[in-house]
Amino acid sequence: GAVVSQHPSRVICKSGTSVKIECRSLDFQATTMFWYRQFPKQSLMLMATSNEGSKATYEQGVEKDKFLINHASLTLSTLTVTSAHPEDSSFYICSARGGWSGQETQYFGPGTRLLVL
Amino acid sequence: GQNIDQPTEMTATEGAIVQINCTYQTSGFNGLFWYQQHAGEAPTFLSYNVLDGLEEKGRFSSFLSRSKGYSYLLLKELQMKDSASYLCASLIEPGSQGNLIFGKGTKLSVKP
Repeated sequence: GAVVSQHPSRVICKSGTSVKIECRSLDFQATTMFWYRQFPKQSLMLMATSNEGSKATYEQGVEKDKFLINHASLTLSTLTVTSAHPEDSSFYICSARGGWSGQETQYFGPGTRLLVL
Repeated sequence: GQNIDQPTEMTATEGAIVQINCTYQTSGFNGLFWYQQHAGEAPTFLSYNVLDGLEEKGRFSSFLSRSKGYSYLLLKELQMKDSASYLCASLIEPGSQGNLIFGKGTKLSVKP
């Protein structure tokens, strides 16, 4: 299957700092990428959808000024958590949509575990 | 609204067969995904059904009935490593964007 990578896999930062997470589709071009957040023992919650070259669409309740998303190319999207606080500690997972037209599916990256102290 | 239901937990024995059901009520339905998620890891893709019927892939099979808003994931010859959460997700197409609506997941425990 298609491969999606995320970097870093784990990050610990101080409260008030910013953290950037990269998501790359390694062997296909992803016109659409998604960012999810997952708290312990809960399901994935979609944060935003991004299309290459355009502004991201944020889900209700997600602050776009806090979670900056840049989808600069067909293989790279970044999520920047600005002025991180302890409540932002979570498992962030990106997903990229790709494949043959009509056979597209959605593949997940391995996730980034963020701990804000 | 969008709603997906699946059992919270299931237990099965190694070597047995288990069926995980999923019912959905989603507008703009464009297919049904099943993902496997081990604790502490991201989901991995298992199957995608867009047409009615059964799709078989090795030990795993997935079924979809669009008219009934129903899907199931069938796991055969269960192995201990199959212990994981199984997420049912409906793909909806609002405009030109794709979006997955996830169920809460079914935690499967495989016992020896």
